[in-house]
Amino acid sequence: AQKVTQAQTEISVVEKEDVTLDCVYETRDTTYYLFWYKQPPSGELVFLIRRNSFDEQNEISGRYSWNFQKSTSSFNFTITASQVVDSAVYFCALSEALSGGSYIPTFGRGTSLIVHP
Amino acid sequence: DGGITQSPKYLFRKEGQNVTLSCEQNLNHDAMYWYRQDPGQGLRLIYYSQIVNDFQKGDIAEGYSVSREKKESFPLTVTSAQKNPTAFYLCASSAAEPLPYNEQFFGPGTRLTVL
Repeated sequence: AQKVTQAQTEISVVEKEDVTLDCVYETRDTTYYLFWYKQPPSGELVFLIRRNSFDEQNEISGRYSWNFQKSTSSFNFTITASQVVDSAVYFCALSEALSGGSYIPTFGRGTSLIVHP
Repeated sequence: DGGITQSPKYLFRKEGQNVTLSCEQNLNHDAMYWYRQDPGQGLRLIYYSQIVNDFQKGDIAEGYSVSREKKESFPLTVTSAQKNPTAFYLCASSAAEPLPYNEQFFGPGTRLTVL
């Protein structure tokens, strides 16, 4: 079973629409970290946000916002007033402690967002 | 500028040949990682290293080998034992401090095609 599920394979919107990318995770740890990365067509992943399991406060950064809900094991990402430059593949990732204390992330399969002008 | 470089960007290999993908970072990060990306599969971990001269297998290490002789370098060799090597390969690094896990920085990737 996947530890990180991004059920939306591809989302297509028109510029200025709001869009939410879903991420559901699975873990038995009480301490873990969640991430979102953006992969533009150039291929290089870019870090967007990190959230630890003890901080359920939602965060807003410009047009981006994140909703972390432990009760539903979800860490959803919303882009407000989408722009063509937002077109990319977005990955959600979960980092849990392995034996020995290492934290190695597990990535979801990604959601491809296409924003049409 | 600090960052991660991967070379080459595109690589073509004949079946049965070993090939080495380069990854160099000047971020002074202790941890480095190799991922494989296939369409619709997300990123899958091949190998990771948290310190020089030490590395660990990831989820799909079979047919791959790595070395970590220097902090800044983490080359990946795709051997002839890898049955389906055509993919996009991404190298990443992360700092060990101040958190137990920090965000990863990624290179631009190498697209390997087996002819």
